Parts: sequence; C-alpha cells; structure tokens
Amino acid sequence: DTEVTQTPKHLVMGMTNKKSLKCEQHMGHRAMYWYKQKAKKPPELMFVYSYEKLSINESVPSRFSPECPNSSLLNLHLHALQPEDSALYLCASSQGVAGQPQHFGDGTRLSIL
Amino acid sequence: GIQVEQSPPDLILQEGANSTLRCNFSDSVNNLQWFHQNPWGQLINLFYIPSGTKQNGRLSATTVATERYSLLYISSSQTTDSGVYFCAVVYGGSQGNLIFGKGTKLSVKP
Repeated sequence: DTEVTQTPKHLVMGMTNKKSLKCEQHMGHRAMYWYKQKAKKPPELMFVYSYEKLSINESVPSRFSPECPNSSLLNLHLHALQPEDSALYLCASSQGVAGQPQHFGDGTRLSIL
Repeated sequence: GIQVEQSPPDLILQEGANSTLRCNFSDSVNNLQWFHQNPWGQLINLFYIPSGTKQNGRLSATTVATERYSLLYISSSQTTDSGVYFCAVVYGGSQGNLIFGKGTKLSVKP
C-alpha cells in the first residue's frame, strides 16, 4: 500500500546513536500503528495511536519512543538500541480502531551494529 | 488471547496451478485481512473480509465467521505470486491491534 509513506527505507545505526523513523498518511485516518517484524516471523504490534493519543503500548522497551505530532504523522524515536532490535518496522493506518482495514507502508529495514 | 492458525505452512506450486490457503481463528473477530508479503518485504493488502466472499482477479476469499475460518483461493498461479501470505484478525473487544498468523510461504515454479 503506497498511501502510507515511511522514511527512510533502510537505516543502519550504532548502539549509541539516536535516530527517528517517520510515517505519513493523507487518507484522513485517525488510527496509526507501529509493528515490528523479525526475519521469518509475522509482524507484531508495538504501539497504537487513536485520535493522536497513545492507546496501546505492548510492553515495548523505553528505548523506543513513539510520537504522533498530528493526525497525519507518526514518528518512532530510537535511542540506545540493541542488535536484537534489527528488524523491519512497519507503519499502518486505519479510519478507526473498531475493525476497519489497516493499510501498511513499505517499512523501514533497520540494522543495529 | 485469540489464536490464528494458517495452513499449510509451506506450499510449492507449478505455474498455472490452483491453491487454497486456510486461516482458522479461535474467537469472534471484527476484522480479518489477507496480506501478501513479497520478497522485498512489502505487505500488500489483498482482502478485508470479516465475513462473506470477495473476488479480485485470480484471487478470491471466503470467511465463514460463525465457523471461525477463512479461505484464500489463488487460481492460475504465476511466479509473481510467490511470497508469504498472512491472515490477520482484530478480535472483538480489542483496540484495533491486528493479530497475525504465522503465514503460508508460497513458491511458484516456472
């Protein structure tokens, strides 16, 4: 689904770096999501924002910090990551959280050195 | 929590063959989606189908919510159909988080 745009597509960072992943949608959706996908595994939910408020945090370590500055944008701030955090990070959006279809971006492939 | 089971885990087809992928889920759902993840990692929406039957070209899907299963049919398969097919559900009472099955890895040989 190209209606959800994620940047960058690839990111390599050291364990002491600070970086951010960005996600943008212009479909007027009010729910946005971050998922993490390890190799050969299905995506797993990290965070849900509904009407720009954090509604679900699936016990994600504090080195991942989400931010929703407005209804179209979702950021994921990264700090002091570990090599096991290397994964594909997927952003999705939907009209609401009550069962509407979710549309995914192409993901950011993150490698931690 | 809800369990989502997909079968078969792996499938190898010759180009032109037909196939059926199955998704069983253990509780009532508000949302059921089928996705195709291509070798580049892109997760492509195939169907939003919490109940009923839909068709899109060579693909069709049926969900029987009362019996808690969904089927994805692929006809006249092509090499570009290769990848992993995921079924994902949002169960009643949740706040929208999609729960994914483990996927079916499809390889279509020329």
